[in-house]
Amino acid sequence: DGGITQSPKYLFRKEGQNVTLSCEQNLNHDAMYWYRQDPGQGLRLIYYSQIVNDFQKGDIAEGYSVSREKKESFPLTVTSAQKNPTAFYLCASSIEFPRTGLPRGNEQFFGPGTRLTVL
Amino acid sequence: KQEVTQIPAALSVPEGENLVLNCSFTDSAIYNLQWFRQDPGKGLTSLLLIQSSQREQTSGRLNASLDKSSGRSTLYIAASQPGDSATYLCAVRPYTGGGNKLTFGTGTQLKVEL
Repeated sequence: DGGITQSPKYLFRKEGQNVTLSCEQNLNHDAMYWYRQDPGQGLRLIYYSQIVNDFQKGDIAEGYSVSREKKESFPLTVTSAQKNPTAFYLCASSIEFPRTGLPRGNEQFFGPGTRLTVL
Repeated sequence: KQEVTQIPAALSVPEGENLVLNCSFTDSAIYNLQWFRQDPGKGLTSLLLIQSSQREQTSGRLNASLDKSSGRSTLYIAASQPGDSATYLCAVRPYTGGGNKLTFGTGTQLKVEL
């Protein structure tokens, strides 16, 4: 079955620790995204990647880092510089044709999420 | 800066009722609008995608309309069922700029009671 997987489902971080959230998709989608969801707020974009080995900051990138070495994978690292990391993290993907003039975006599909809690 | 608002924030209806959820956005220069459903503690499920050139999309008991000039979209749910209970989110993609960057509303929490 095609889809997006995220692991782990729950993650606990100690102060000063870096943690990495996994996101894998087998939909052959070009673009992948990381969002953060906090109670009472809409989803906010952290980072996105339109092609392998390229990614851009979203609205709240400070304290986070990403890599895109493979089309299928887009891991997110929450560093110790992120002062308030407790949140629900969602990964998404979509078909995309990057940097070819007018955007030709398509539906975004989401994974099941990872809940990160700071101890 | 694009802002997306969903009203009401919460809604409770009896089973079988038809209902409308509202989504408004401040910048009408959008490429598309997407409606999602989110169950507690889960990811988002895409319900409908409306391109800017379209007026509406239908899937089963769901119908979404788009009035780009007035900055509004509605999600109509016919004959509501308890299984429809969830949070419904709308999101818009800008017409310009790189990437499929969505701006989300804060959602409407729907409860359908027996």
